[in-house]
Amino acid sequence: KAGVTQTPRYLIKTRGQQVTLSCSPISGHRSVSWYQQTPGQGLQFLFEYFSETQRNKGNFPGRFSGRQFSNSRSEMNVSTLELGDSALYLCASSLLAGGDEKLFFGSGTQLSVL
Amino acid sequence: DAKTTQPPSMDCAEGRAANLPCNHSTISGNEYVYWYRQIHSQGPQYIIHGLKNNETNEMASLIITEDRKSSTLILPHATLRDTAVYYCIVRVQRTSGSRLTFGEGTQLTVNP
Repeated sequence: KAGVTQTPRYLIKTRGQQVTLSCSPISGHRSVSWYQQTPGQGLQFLFEYFSETQRNKGNFPGRFSGRQFSNSRSEMNVSTLELGDSALYLCASSLLAGGDEKLFFGSGTQLSVL
Repeated sequence: DAKTTQPPSMDCAEGRAANLPCNHSTISGNEYVYWYRQIHSQGPQYIIHGLKNNETNEMASLIITEDRKSSTLILPHATLRDTAVYYCIVRVQRTSGSRLTFGEGTQLTVNP
């Protein structure tokens, strides 16, 4: 079974631009969550989608948004990029959305904002 | 979710057992203990989780103290490929939500 796939693997953007990252979960998984990882802040939860609905949201500004499609694939968008948005963005999928579910992470998209 | 405390770094000799401690003294009765690890430049990988009983799988063993205020992840025969940052996470059993709160973790270095 294929793992969580994130595209692109690397991305370079300039300040003020917007970016869209893609995540394909493991087949059959309905929950997709997104995390940001930076050297200073570590791994931080962005948001989670389940059955096309946002179920949970972290403490990030409205410039960060996401959506999930009927096939469970998810995208996240960052508008008006800032230098501090440079990070590794990780997507994770799980079968359901519950407290006892283990998450499977992709390899991430490394975003550099210049 | 309860806060966890882990040592920032540990070393282990290849072939020996690696015992990674985690303190979660404020854990609630319905919170699970999860362990994930992250090898450099990859996404975190699930290792094991438990509620109150000790657990074992093909990767590791999880020992939770009787009062559940601390736990230990045991890698029985560490290899160089086990060098990674190990995260201990406590998490409420919720009917919805897959939010994990990662701390700083323990950098485990397995030496030849």
